[in-house]
Amino acid sequence: ETGVTQSPTHLIKTRGQQVTLRCSSQSGHNTVSWYQQALGQGPQFIFQYYREEENGRGNFPPRFSGLQFPNYSSELNVNALELDDSALYLCASSFGTSQETQYFGPGTRLLVL
Amino acid sequence: RKEVEQDPGPFNVPEGATVAFNCTYSNSASQSFFWYRQDCRKEPKLLMSVYSSGNEDGRFTAQLNRASQYISLLIRDSKLSDSATYLCVVKRFTSYDKVIFGPGTSLSVIP
Repeated sequence: ETGVTQSPTHLIKTRGQQVTLRCSSQSGHNTVSWYQQALGQGPQFIFQYYREEENGRGNFPPRFSGLQFPNYSSELNVNALELDDSALYLCASSFGTSQETQYFGPGTRLLVL
Repeated sequence: RKEVEQDPGPFNVPEGATVAFNCTYSNSASQSFFWYRQDCRKEPKLLMSVYSSGNEDGRFTAQLNRASQYISLLIRDSKLSDSATYLCVVKRFTSYDKVIFGPGTSLSVIP
């Protein structure tokens, strides 16, 4: 086990709703990266948080936002959910921003109806 | 065109077979390369980094060809436990370290 935990494991929402996903990083890690993995695709980078600040963002609209807390845990918030937001959301923790060695959590499966 | 592309698969091979996966990347500024493994309904896990000189880890061999922008993974003597999706990953620095995953290639090793 990597020591990276995510909650909840599964979630069902309807279009237009908002969702918050949570990630606890591995002990000693100060960076959390979030990814969206659609069925049959590789993970796509959403954004990264380092020392409580956003440090890099992929091609995702502003309704995807995040936070990192002083204990380096993180939240991913998605507003105005769309059907295409249905995916596995993965967080990965690392020490430093290079993502050379990052450890993924088990993910949250989000279904938007 | 996607920045990282892989053989679409799926690959179905018998136990003991040798199988090779190919990956191409389009951005010549890419700096680091990796292979990840993802079991069904699980998170990705780092399998190995890929170095310019090529590297081997037991039954797994990774090769990098920067001129052709091509990465490969060779698995020898396939085991049932090798069944998984193999993700090619490329990293380059923009204003941050940008990590791009390929779509993955599915492998099923059959008894």
